[in-house]
Amino acid sequence: DAKTTQPNSMESNEEEPVHLPCNHSTISGTDYIHWYRQLPSQGPEYVIHGLTSNVNNRMASLAIAEDRKSSTLILHRATLRDAAVYYCILLTGGTSYGKLTFGQGTILTVHP
Amino acid sequence: DGGITQSPKYLFRKEGQNVTLSCEQNLNHDAMYWYRQDPGQGLRLIYYSQIVNDFQKGDIAEGYSVSREKKESFPLTVTSAQKNPTAFYLCASSILHRPSYEQYFGPGTRLTVT
Repeated sequence: DAKTTQPNSMESNEEEPVHLPCNHSTISGTDYIHWYRQLPSQGPEYVIHGLTSNVNNRMASLAIAEDRKSSTLILHRATLRDAAVYYCILLTGGTSYGKLTFGQGTILTVHP
Repeated sequence: DGGITQSPKYLFRKEGQNVTLSCEQNLNHDAMYWYRQDPGQGLRLIYYSQIVNDFQKGDIAEGYSVSREKKESFPLTVTSAQKNPTAFYLCASSILHRPSYEQYFGPGTRLTVT
């Protein structure tokens, strides 16, 4: 399975933008990039996903590098409720498609 | 409200007993999944089902069993053969078993076996 690499932790101040990076140098052409976040003792929550083009939704934006070897999740104005573990995941095609393989994720701390 | 329900939230069992975790969804999703999460770790896939009466093993299926008799339901049985059953168990569903679709997660069941 293709792997992702994320920083262990990041910090931000409330109301400021947050850029969460993810490296996925072994990504293949049919892999989708998904982001989920998880609060303590809760199930993960879907944030955003994309294939090649940048994506925006009500929660965040996803910027995908032209070579697709990295991506960045952008929270435009962090709030205290955005403090969570953020997972960058590749969903592969072929026999494994649809399977989410979670790594360690990035712990985001938001300061008031 | 559409969503995924898991019950119970906390479950305690003695070693050697089988236990069944419930997962129900009213999202009309075809695909359903079971994951296990250990403290400080990411999720690992146990089983998944693409359609009723069909399911496949994930990465850590040993000691677990599932059934998919109805579209809405995907119960997971943790058998006595599972060596380290204490964990946080998460159920998820998706419109289809495809990488272009997001997965929606339930609130989880925390199982403690002593």
